Amino acid sequence: GQSLEQPSEVTAVEGAIVQINCTYQTSGFYGLSWYQQHDGGAPTFLSYNALDGLEETGRFSSFLSRSDSYGYLLLQELQMKDSASYFCAVRATSGTYKYIFGTGTRLKVLA
Amino acid sequence: DGGITQSPKYLFRKEGQNVTLSCEQNLNHDAMYWYRQDPGQGLRLIYYSQIVNDFQKGDIAEGYSVSREKKESFPLTVTSAQKNPTAFYLCASLLAGNNEQFFGPGTRLTVL
Repeated sequence: GQSLEQPSEVTAVEGAIVQINCTYQTSGFYGLSWYQQHDGGAPTFLSYNALDGLEETGRFSSFLSRSDSYGYLLLQELQMKDSASYFCAVRATSGTYKYIFGTGTRLKVLA
Repeated sequence: DGGITQSPKYLFRKEGQNVTLSCEQNLNHDAMYWYRQDPGQGLRLIYYSQIVNDFQKGDIAEGYSVSREKKESFPLTVTSAQKNPTAFYLCASLLAGNNEQFFGPGTRLTVL
């Protein structure tokens, strides 16, 4: 089967750095995306990695290692508003726009 | 303003009734999606459509049906065959060639 595994919950304090991991097992791989979702809200896109390495967007960075079937989202200078759920997603099939989402990681930022 | 809308925000239905959830986008996106989210869970794909008049089953399509008669619209019908329909339903769209899905605000369906 195809699956994406994430830790269920991560807790950190304001100002800290936190890393949310995602390991995937899929039949194909055409990129890893990350989304943020606040309680009761809609997911919003954060980043996308198609190639190995680190992509930086402000306080957020995303990393991919295709050989390890692994990626992570790095959040720096944590703020209270970063408390949310974070999902990784893989586009697993060439020629289609079908995405598989991970189980999600709930991030709690403490004052 | 371009965006993706879902209606209604909250929906209550009696067991055994079919119900249709609306999803409309004016982003001129090619692909559209329906996901189901249960409390504390991830997003599970119900159906997706890459072009008008074509759609594909996702991982949990049983008990659901869709249509894609117009590029802007992708309604989802939850039928009485769906055993546990109470959930949060999210619609999304994507422009072909891009990798960012845009999500609607969601419809919270409760079956009584």
